[in-house]
Amino acid sequence: AQTVTQSQPEMSVQEAETVTLSCTYDTSENNYYLFWYKQPPSRQMILVIRQEAYKQQNATENRFSVNFQKAAKSFSLKISDSQLGDTAMYFCAFMLIQGAQKLVFGQGTRLTINP
Amino acid sequence: GAVVSQHPSWVICKSGTSVKIECRSLDFQATTMFWYRQFPKQSLMLMATSNEGSKATYEQGVEKDKFLINHASLTLSTLTVTSAHPEDSSFYICSASASRGDYYGYTFGSGTRLTVV
Repeated sequence: AQTVTQSQPEMSVQEAETVTLSCTYDTSENNYYLFWYKQPPSRQMILVIRQEAYKQQNATENRFSVNFQKAAKSFSLKISDSQLGDTAMYFCAFMLIQGAQKLVFGQGTRLTINP
Repeated sequence: GAVVSQHPSWVICKSGTSVKIECRSLDFQATTMFWYRQFPKQSLMLMATSNEGSKATYEQGVEKDKFLINHASLTLSTLTVTSAHPEDSSFYICSASASRGDYYGYTFGSGTRLTVV
């Protein structure tokens, strides 16, 4: 079974700083997707960024980028120029392409951006 | 973009009664929907996967007779918590996928906070 581990329960940075959230996963499969989701206080889950495992190039979405290390099974999220609106729970998630395509979530990291 | 509407956003019910939560895909057809439960300050726990026109697949440890899932159309899935008890109080979230080719991540509903008194 696949597992996702986020080892940082909480993080806090000042506005405009850069912050990196860690995520590791375990799988014996080769074809999968990885995601970062954001859950603000409203509790609405929002997709931040996704990465296809077969792509070597790291995904980027504006201020958000990932460092995908397939051999190390690591998938960290970097937020540049952090903003107050980035304050949220961040969940790393894994999905096998084959089968039921269920998302497996990590435990989450609570990120606080301070003014 | 894809929108999933979930209702109600919050509900309070008496112990022993049943509560129905609806999850609708507004601008796409959802062949698959997922139901999650989230305890305070914890991650999302998958409860079941529902496919349109077929029986739901429940995760290990989830009581299928307590959490009834119906996915009768391509735009609507419902979760009914039967004979609710205080321990069923939680935040329930649905998500939907348009098709197996939708690898852009699933669209989530806004969640339902259930309180059983």
